[in-house]
Formats: sequence, structure tokens, C-alpha cells
Amino acid sequence: DGGITQSPKYLFRKEGQNVTLSCEQNLNHDAMYWYRQDPGQGLRLIYYSQIVNDFQKGDIAEGYSVSREKKESFPLTVTSAQKNPTAFYLCASRQAPGQGAYEQYFGPGTRLTVT
Amino acid sequence: AQSVTQLGSHVSVSEGALVLLRCNYSSSVPPYLFWYVQYPNQGLQLLLKYTSAATLVKGINGFEAEFKKSETSFHLTKPSAHMSDAAEYFCAVSGMNRDDKIIFGKGTRLHILP
Repeated sequence: DGGITQSPKYLFRKEGQNVTLSCEQNLNHDAMYWYRQDPGQGLRLIYYSQIVNDFQKGDIAEGYSVSREKKESFPLTVTSAQKNPTAFYLCASRQAPGQGAYEQYFGPGTRLTVT
Repeated sequence: AQSVTQLGSHVSVSEGALVLLRCNYSSSVPPYLFWYVQYPNQGLQLLLKYTSAATLVKGINGFEAEFKKSETSFHLTKPSAHMSDAAEYFCAVSGMNRDDKIIFGKGTRLHILP
């Protein structure tokens, strides 16, 4: 089955540690996205990537970093500089233009808890 | 610039009653519009999308939405609520260009009363 996988489902870290969240897709989508979700705040865009080896900051990029070395993979690192990292993180992907109405497909999410 | 406003962060309906979740959008270009559903601790799943082909759009699980340009609205409805419809629903808007991002509303949590 095609889809997006995120691992792990739950992640626990101590404050001051960097942590990397995995996102892999086998949909052959060009664009990939990372969102942060907090109760009552909807989805906030962290980073996105339209093509391999290129990515742009979203609305709340401070304290996060990404890489896009392969089309299928878009890992997110939550650094120790992120002041409030505990949240639910969602990865999404999207078809290239001309192949659909550009809806995003989402992974199952990773819940990160930092204490 | 584009934006989405979902009226009501929480909506409660009785099982079997009409579901109506409101969404208003702002867009300087013809929009694509989407409704997504999210169950607890899961990702978002596409319910339906408007792509200018038809103003009344039917989606999965018996949901539908009507695009009303004059009202800049894209409200989500279902004639008869089921307990399994309890979830959070997100309305989203996008332009039609490659670089246009999808802008999400803050979500409406739907509660189904027995």
C-alpha cells in the first residue's frame, strides 16, 4: 500500500537533547511538509520541501531543522533551541502540479514529549 | 493571501441529527478547498475537495460540502450523524499554483450525543 509512515508513534526525550522524527513516503510525491499541532491551534507549518535538496521555512521554523536528500524521506530534527517542543508532529506530502488538485496526504503523526 | 475561518471550535449534535460545520475562506485567486477529518492521535484524512468542477461536492462517509462563491463559504454537512463521526474537522484552502501552500483552519471538534 502506498502511504506515508512516521516513526516512532510516541517519543520521549529529556530537555536539552536533539531528536529526529522520521517521515517516509512511497507515493512518489515531490513536495513534503512538516506541521506541528497543539490543542486549539490547528496545524502550523514548520518546514516544507518542493524538490530534493531544497526546503523552505514555514511559519514556526525556529528551533527545527530538516533535510531532503531523497525524494522519499524528509526527517525533522527538533533541536534543544526549540523552547516548547512537546507537541504532535505531522508529516504530509503532495503531488506535483498538473497531477491533481494538490491535496496533501498525511502520515499518522509522532507525539513528542520532552521533560 | 488566503485564510480560512471555521466557526465554532466545538459543535455538538445528537445521533441521527444534521451535521453542519461552517467554513469561510478568503482568497485573492480561485481557490481549491478541502475538508479533512482527524481522529484522536491520528493523521488527517481527506473527506472531500472542491476543484471548480462542481459546486456541490460529495465525499466519504456520507459528507458533502457546497461551494458558495458569493458567500465565500464551504460548509460541511451530513444528513444524519453517527457516533463514529466524532472527530476533529479541518477546512483548508489553496491556490492553484505549484508554490501555493495549503492553509488550514483551526479545526472544529464534533461531538455526537447519544
